[in-house]
Amino acid sequence: GAGVSQSPSNKVTEKGKDVELRCDPISGHTALYWYRQSLGQGLEFLIYFQGNSAPDKSGLPSDRFSAERTGGSVSTLTIQRTQQEDSAVYLCASSLGFEQYFGPGTRLTVT
Amino acid sequence: GIQVEQSPPDLILQEGANSTLRCNFSDSVNNLQWFHQNPWGQLINLFYIPSGTKQNGRLSATTVATERYSLLYISSSQTTDSGVYFCAAPNYKLTFGKGTLLTVNP
Repeated sequence: GAGVSQSPSNKVTEKGKDVELRCDPISGHTALYWYRQSLGQGLEFLIYFQGNSAPDKSGLPSDRFSAERTGGSVSTLTIQRTQQEDSAVYLCASSLGFEQYFGPGTRLTVT
Repeated sequence: GIQVEQSPPDLILQEGANSTLRCNFSDSVNNLQWFHQNPWGQLINLFYIPSGTKQNGRLSATTVATERYSLLYISSSQTTDSGVYFCAAPNYKLTFGKGTLLTVNP
C-alpha cells in the first residue's frame, strides 16, 4: 500500500517568510509525528498527534512552529518568520501501534 | 529523557564481510526500532524489536531489554547496505542515536 507522503520535497525560502509543510500519513494510522534532521542536532522529535487527543508539542523548538492535523489524517507543519537555523529535513511519520513509518522528508533551506 | 548511544560511529567493510552494530539505551523501552537511512535520506524500517530476536534475510537483531542494549547483525554485506543505521527508542516520542555510518566497498 501507499506509504507516508510529504510535500514539497524541497523548499527554499527567504529568511522571515512563513512556510507550510504537508504530510499524508498511511491510511488507517491513528498516530502522526513530525521530526527534523539537521547536521548539528541529528534527528529530533517535534510533535505527536494521536487520534482526537491534544497533541504532544513538547519538542517544538519555539512558538514560531505550529502544526495541525485535520480530520485525523493530513497534517501541516507551519514555521513562521523562518530563520537560517530552521534549515533542515523535516520528516513525518505515522503509526498504528508503536512502530513508526517515515515519509521521504521535506528539505527546507532558509536563505 | 532517555539516552540512546550507538557504536561504532563509522564502519568500513569489504563486500561479503559480517558486522555487528550496537545500541545502548538508558531506560526501559516499549519501542526499539532500527532504521537504515539510504543515500536519498529515506528512513527504511528494518526492525521493531523492543525485546527478543528477529531475522530478515541477511539482517537480524537482538534486544536484551533487561540489560538495555540492542544489536543489529549484517551478514555477507553488500554495497547496497551502505548508509547510516539508526536505532531509536523508547515509545511514541522517539529519541534517535547518532547513527553508524556503514561503508561497504566492492
